[in-house]
Amino acid sequence: NAGVTQTPKFQVLKTGQSMTLQCAQDMNHEYMSWYRQDPGMGLRLIHYSVGAGITDQGEVPNGYNVSRSTTEDFPLRLLSAAPSQTSVYFCASSSNRVREKLFFGSGTQLSVL
Amino acid sequence: SQQGEEDPQALSIQEGENATMNCSYKTSINNLQWYRQNSGRGLVHLILIRSNEREKHSGRLRVTLDTSKKSSSLLITASRAADTASYFCATDDWGGKLIFGQGTELSVKP
Repeated sequence: NAGVTQTPKFQVLKTGQSMTLQCAQDMNHEYMSWYRQDPGMGLRLIHYSVGAGITDQGEVPNGYNVSRSTTEDFPLRLLSAAPSQTSVYFCASSSNRVREKLFFGSGTQLSVL
Repeated sequence: SQQGEEDPQALSIQEGENATMNCSYKTSINNLQWYRQNSGRGLVHLILIRSNEREKHSGRLRVTLDTSKKSSSLLITASRAADTASYFCATDDWGGKLIFGQGTELSVKP
């Protein structure tokens, strides 16, 4: 049982480059979300989804796009990377729309030079 | 701004002692959850307390919730070195968002 799988684990980008962080879960969870974690800032919600075809913005959505075409996958896209997006990114999912227990992936460490 | 504010930011205790962490939040909540993060890893769910509950226990964990003060506390009894981690509270705001606090870094010395 894989749980929540994030790829890649590490990534280095140059300013202006684009990339997609992948997130997949095999638990048939309706709710999926993306957080970024910066030192001293805790986790901040970027985008979330309560089901396939439904997405919404979190606390810090600017510079990021998401889509949810299937229940299993919730990719996060950086269209034009900036140094301020250097962070550790976590994907999380929950079995229902009430978000009572999030399961987290192991994270993607992103550096933007 | 973040919903949850945690106190203290860092806590260092000896093995066997109790550890208490506090969380304050700003708006009405559906539930409050506590998570643990070991260094370099994803977060792991510890315990959830609903807005109509005042206290909950799970093993060595005790969580209280005071909705009138918009605050919660997490007590870890008889701490072990393996409890060394960062602990985060998260509040569900009824609107689809689970918002995390900045965390408390706990160090338990053997």
